[in-house]
Amino acid sequence: DSGVTQTPKHLITATGQRVTLRCSPRSGDLSVYWYQQSLDQGLQFLIQYYNGEERAKGNILERFSAQQFPDLHSELNLSSLELGDSALYFCASSPGTGYGYTFGSGTRLTVV
Amino acid sequence: DAKTTQPTSMDCAEGRAANLPCNHSTISGNEYVYWYRQIHSQGPQYIIHGLKNNETNEMASLIITEDRKSSTLILPHATLRDTAVYYCIVRLAGGSGNTPLVFGKGTRLSVIA
Repeated sequence: DSGVTQTPKHLITATGQRVTLRCSPRSGDLSVYWYQQSLDQGLQFLIQYYNGEERAKGNILERFSAQQFPDLHSELNLSSLELGDSALYFCASSPGTGYGYTFGSGTRLTVV
Repeated sequence: DAKTTQPTSMDCAEGRAANLPCNHSTISGNEYVYWYRQIHSQGPQYIIHGLKNNETNEMASLIITEDRKSSTLILPHATLRDTAVYYCIVRLAGGSGNTPLVFGKGTRLSVIA
């Protein structure tokens, strides 16, 4: 157990739907990062939050959004889902910006 | 962040040392070398990082050349459980910058019995 908790572990939904992925960072970590890993693709950075504020944005689609709450947990919202959004979504946390990350075990999203 | 170059794949016999190379010829003076690995669809796992001196922990050793343009991750006694994709990443650290970890394609290490 890495200390980073992601729920749900698996999610199957239909095209056009909206889902929310949740991440609880390791205790004391202020930064949360979201990554997407499609089948046989590398890890693509989506977005970073630090203590509730957005800090960096990567290849995140406009249909996707995220936020970090006062208790530091984070949610990634994916809307108008397409088949191509099927992927593993990982959350990572770190004590602050510029430090090593601890990753969660991921949420496997399947869009049918 | 500096770009890294790693071999696509490598094989290693079980019990032998696995030496994974990484080139980062454009690394700047305040950039660290990080190594992570990902075991089949699990979340990436931190292995080790260093700036200029060689580093060792319970998992691996990191050897950085004197000019810092390349490094080698050494798994001293590879086991089947070390089969994974290994990522070498160069980035600012210690609060000096907000750059997130950018993963390349890494090296797929296969440990063979």
